[in-house]
Amino acid sequence: EPEVTQTPSHQVTQMGQEVILRCVPISNHLYFYWYRQILGQKVEFLVSFYNNEISEKSEIFDDQFSVERPDGSNFTLKIRSTKLEDSAMYFCASSDPLALGEQFFGPGTRLTVL
Amino acid sequence: AQRVTQPEKLLSVFKGAPVELKCNYSYSGSPELFWYVQYSRQRLQLLLRHISRESIKGFTADLNKGETSFHLKKPFAQEEDSAMYYCALFSGGYNKLIFGAGTRLAVHP
Repeated sequence: EPEVTQTPSHQVTQMGQEVILRCVPISNHLYFYWYRQILGQKVEFLVSFYNNEISEKSEIFDDQFSVERPDGSNFTLKIRSTKLEDSAMYFCASSDPLALGEQFFGPGTRLTVL
Repeated sequence: AQRVTQPEKLLSVFKGAPVELKCNYSYSGSPELFWYVQYSRQRLQLLLRHISRESIKGFTADLNKGETSFHLKKPFAQEEDSAMYYCALFSGGYNKLIFGAGTRLAVHP
């Protein structure tokens, strides 16, 4: 069964550094998402992406964040200048356009900002 | 405001006991609700969707629009049901899932 994959599984970085989190969505899905979960808190929506552009973003997704689909398979989340409060588990998800609420999640990348 | 509330952080039961994980929502319009589950060291995965009215692994959930609830139920809990359960609302207008805080179900032998 196809799965969403994410790399790396754990990323440690210094405050102020740029990080890129990578995701490979399920191949025939057209909608892509990033969510994050700060330890002990809810899973929160960050951004959705369709047809090579952002379709929706939350207030968390400020100018420090960007997403890109650089080729036909990868979907990336970039944080330009990381802050301590960016430490969280970041989940990528994808969905079929006929069932947008049925999202398939990756295993997550744990980002630790020191 | 669009919101999902799961009032219990932890639900601890013995094997064979009935289980009900509570979920309430706030949404103007016709809601689309889901239960996602995360087993230990595994990814979030879809368990149930309200529109299909199916039973998965013995779990069922009924949408009650009058009470704005979508509680997850199972008549006889198994140890392998131990996991984190998240109720989620799909906000079609914003193309995103809104998650509750989650309930950890612990089933003891």
